[in-house]
Amino acid sequence: DVKVTQSSRYLVKRTGEKVFLECVQDMDHENMFWYRQDPGLGLRLIYFSYDVKMKEKGDIPEGYSVSREKKERFSLILESASTNQTSMYLCASSFLGILGNTIYFGEGSWLTVV
Amino acid sequence: AQKVTQAQTEISVVEKEDVTLDCVYETRDTTYYLFWYKQPPSGELVFLIRRNSFDEQNEISGRYSWNFQKSTSSFNFTITASQVVDSAVYFCALSEFAQGGSEKLVFGKGTKLTVNP
Repeated sequence: DVKVTQSSRYLVKRTGEKVFLECVQDMDHENMFWYRQDPGLGLRLIYFSYDVKMKEKGDIPEGYSVSREKKERFSLILESASTNQTSMYLCASSFLGILGNTIYFGEGSWLTVV
Repeated sequence: AQKVTQAQTEISVVEKEDVTLDCVYETRDTTYYLFWYKQPPSGELVFLIRRNSFDEQNEISGRYSWNFQKSTSSFNFTITASQVVDSAVYFCALSEFAQGGSEKLVFGKGTKLTVNP
C-alpha cells in the first residue's frame, strides 16, 4: 500500500514562529503536493513539486515556501506563522506521466497558530 | 479554468436511505479525469474512484455507484442503503495538467454526509 506520512498530527505554534511540516512517501512518486483544507473552502493547493528541487506555486502560495531535497520528502515551511494559517494541512503524492494517476494523501496535520 | 461544484454543503439521512451526492465540473480539456474521495473524521482522504472522460459507463462497487454524464458535466455519487459508517465529508475532484508534465487535482468544497441510526 502507498504510504504518505506526515510527521506531526497536531501542532500548536506561536505567531511569528517558523514552522516546518514534513511529509514522506514510500512509493517513489515524482509528484508531491501540499494542500490546505478549511471549512467551507474545501482543499486548496499551496505548492507542488514534480521533481527533486523543483517547485511550483499552487493557488495560495503566499506566506508559504517548500523544500524538496530528496524525492521521498517534501517540506512545507511557514516562515513566520500567523493566525490565519491555522488550518489542516494535507500532503499528497502521485506518479508523474500518464494523466489520471491517483493522488494519495497523508492523514493531515492540524496546525493551530496562537 | 477548471472548476468543481458540489452544491450540497451538508446532507443528513437516516440509516438505510439512499443518498446521492452531486458534482458538476467545468473544463476546457478534452481528456480529463474525475475522482471521488472520502474524508472520515480521522482526516485522511480515502480514494474511492477515478473515471476518465472517455468512459461514460456507470460504475457500481458494492453499495456505491457513480453516474458520469458528459452532456451535463456531472459525476454524481450514490450510496445505496446508507450506513452510519458512511458519515464523512465527500470530495469530488477534477484533474488538471500542470507544470513539468505533472497533473494536479482541483477539488470541490465537499459535501458533509451524516447518516443517523
